[in-house]
Amino acid sequence: GENVEQHPSTLSVQEGDSAVIKCTYSDSASNYFPWYKQELGKRPQLIIDIRSNVGEKKDQRIAVTLNKTAKHFSLHITETQPEDSAVYFCAASKSRANNLFFGTGTRLTVIP
Amino acid sequence: NAGVTQTPKFQVLKTGQSMTLQCAQDMNHNSMYWYRQDPGMGLRLIYYSASEGTTDKGEVPNGYNVSRLNKREFSLRLESAAPSQTSVYFCASSVESPAYEQFFGPGTRLTVL
Repeated sequence: GENVEQHPSTLSVQEGDSAVIKCTYSDSASNYFPWYKQELGKRPQLIIDIRSNVGEKKDQRIAVTLNKTAKHFSLHITETQPEDSAVYFCAASKSRANNLFFGTGTRLTVIP
Repeated sequence: NAGVTQTPKFQVLKTGQSMTLQCAQDMNHNSMYWYRQDPGMGLRLIYYSASEGTTDKGEVPNGYNVSRLNKREFSLRLESAAPSQTSVYFCASSVESPAYEQFFGPGTRLTVL
């Protein structure tokens, strides 16, 4: 099956700085890469996703980049705010598959 | 529109007891999932249902059974709970396969003593 590795496990940044979280995947057939945000005690929620036919996608302060050759993808958060503090999970899947494989999460802390 | 709902929110069991976690969605989604979340291990798929009447095993199905009662409801049963099943359980749904946005329920925190 797919193996998704995520780094770093914890990340602290000053408010206003950028944060980058990186993931690698093992199955070259994977073609869907979502990112979920989970606030303390809450449910995971999708913040952005990308499919393998594009290399980058942006949504306001959040962007995701995908390098299919190297099998890695990254989440970029610019101008971080205290409300960005949460655990972020990357994941990978392929069409018609039964599973979405998650990374182990990155705890992001934005220091005011 | 409640989205995905789960009951109960919290549960404490003794080793060997059984229980059923309930999940329902009102978004007319075809696919539903059960995950467990353990510290440092992310979310791992227990079982998946692509449509009413079908279920498939995920990464960690041992010790669990599921029922897709109808399009809205997907339940998870622990027949004989073990301490290793102490975890937070999330139900989720998506319009189709896992390659679409999954909407999660609020979770059930289960402790097995």
